[in-house]
Amino acid sequence: DSGVTQTPKHLITATGQRVTLRCSPRSGDLSVYWYQQSLDQGLQFLIHYYNGEERAKGNILERFSAQQFPDLHSELNLSSLELGDSALYFCASRTGVDTGELFFGEGSRLTVL
Amino acid sequence: TQLLEQSPQFLSIQEGENLTVYCNSSSVFSSLQWYRQEPGEGPVLLVTVVTGGEVKKLKRLTFQFGDARKDSSLHITAAQPGDTGLYLCAGSMGGGTYKYIFGTGTRLKVLA
Repeated sequence: DSGVTQTPKHLITATGQRVTLRCSPRSGDLSVYWYQQSLDQGLQFLIHYYNGEERAKGNILERFSAQQFPDLHSELNLSSLELGDSALYFCASRTGVDTGELFFGEGSRLTVL
Repeated sequence: TQLLEQSPQFLSIQEGENLTVYCNSSSVFSSLQWYRQEPGEGPVLLVTVVTGGEVKKLKRLTFQFGDARKDSSLHITAAQPGDTGLYLCAGSMGGGTYKYIFGTGTRLKVLA
């Protein structure tokens, strides 16, 4: 158990819909990262928050947005879903802003039909 | 643009064989980490290398960080079926970019 909790574990929805993925980081971790993984490939970096502030953006589509709340949990919002958005979405946390081990949740598997 | 390229992409070997996985970039990284991911789970950290030329050993696994901090390798000696998984290198570019990117991944299968 990494201490990072992601919900939901599985989500099936239709094209055009909107979903929200939630992440609770390890206790004490201020950094939250979101990644997308398709078909057992490498992880694509989406976005990084540190203590409530956005610190870096990667290959995140304009249809996607995220935020980190005062209690440090984070949400990733995916809208106008397309078939190609089907993937595993991972959240990871770590204590520091740029150093240290990343601890991953078990992921949220999104299927868009 | 994938900044961290891994090779090979897939590797299927017999138990007891040795193998090396490479992680290459044209960019300099302040630190580099290797993770292993098993099906249905998130990646788990194996090692962190920070200094150019650094070599770290973890039982049968040997990790090396290139002198210029642009590349790294993972060598497994006498591979076992338990080593099967997806191996990912990951790097922090530092300099205040706060991006943490992962390599393309190497899927290893060790046959008994």
